[in-house]
Amino acid sequence: GENVEQHPSTLSVQEGDSAVIKCTYSDSASNYFPWYKQELGKRPQLIIDIRSNVGEKKDQRIAVTLNKTAKHFSLHITETQPEDSAVYFCAARGYGQNFVFGPGTRLSVLP
Amino acid sequence: GAVVSQHPSWVICKSGTSVKIECRSLDFQATTMFWYRQFPKQSLMLMATSNEGSKATYEQGVEKDKFLINHASLTLSTLTVTSAHPEDSSFYICSARDLERGDYNEQFFGPGTRLTVL
Repeated sequence: GENVEQHPSTLSVQEGDSAVIKCTYSDSASNYFPWYKQELGKRPQLIIDIRSNVGEKKDQRIAVTLNKTAKHFSLHITETQPEDSAVYFCAARGYGQNFVFGPGTRLSVLP
Repeated sequence: GAVVSQHPSWVICKSGTSVKIECRSLDFQATTMFWYRQFPKQSLMLMATSNEGSKATYEQGVEKDKFLINHASLTLSTLTVTSAHPEDSSFYICSARDLERGDYNEQFFGPGTRLTVL
C-alpha cells in the first residue's frame, strides 16, 4: 500500500520568510496530492492540491510542486504570516483508493 | 457548499459505555464517508470507509465490532464506539465526497469529535 513521508516534522520561520515542506510517496499509481492545514482542535482545511498530470500549481502565496519520477511533492509558502502557523499534512491518493496522510509538519511563524 | 457537520463536538463518558458520533453532509449527498482517528500530535489515520446502504470497509487493525458504522442515508453516517476504554480517547473526524461536484478526489472534513473516556 501507499506510504507517505513528510519532512520536517517541525519548522520555525521568521515572519516574511518562506517555508518549504516536502513529502515523498511510495505508490507510483497515486495521482492526487492534497495539502491540508489544521489548527489545534479543528478540522483539516484543504489549502492546495495537485494532480499527477501537472508539475506545479500556485495560489497566491502558496504553491505545490510535483516530481512524479522521484515521487515527491512539496509545499511552498512565501511571505509567511503568523496566521500561517498550524500543522500541515500532505496526502496521496490513487484512483479508487483512499487518502494516505503524511505525519504532519508543525509550522511556527515567529513575528 | 460541501459542508460536513459532526455531533457532538466533544463527549466525555465512563469506561464501558457506548458513544455514538454523527456525521452529516449538509448540502450534498455523500455515497461515501470516511472515519478517521487522530491522536494528539499525530496524523489522521483512516479507520473505515462508510458506504451508503452497504457494510463499511474497515482498515487493518480496526475492530469492526468495537467501532460500529452505519450509513443509512446519503447524508448521514454514524460511528458508535462500543464499550469505550481510556485508550479510545481521541479526536474522531469524518469526511465525505461530493460526487456531483465532478471532483472525485476532494474530501470535505467535519469539525471533529473529541472523545474522552474516563
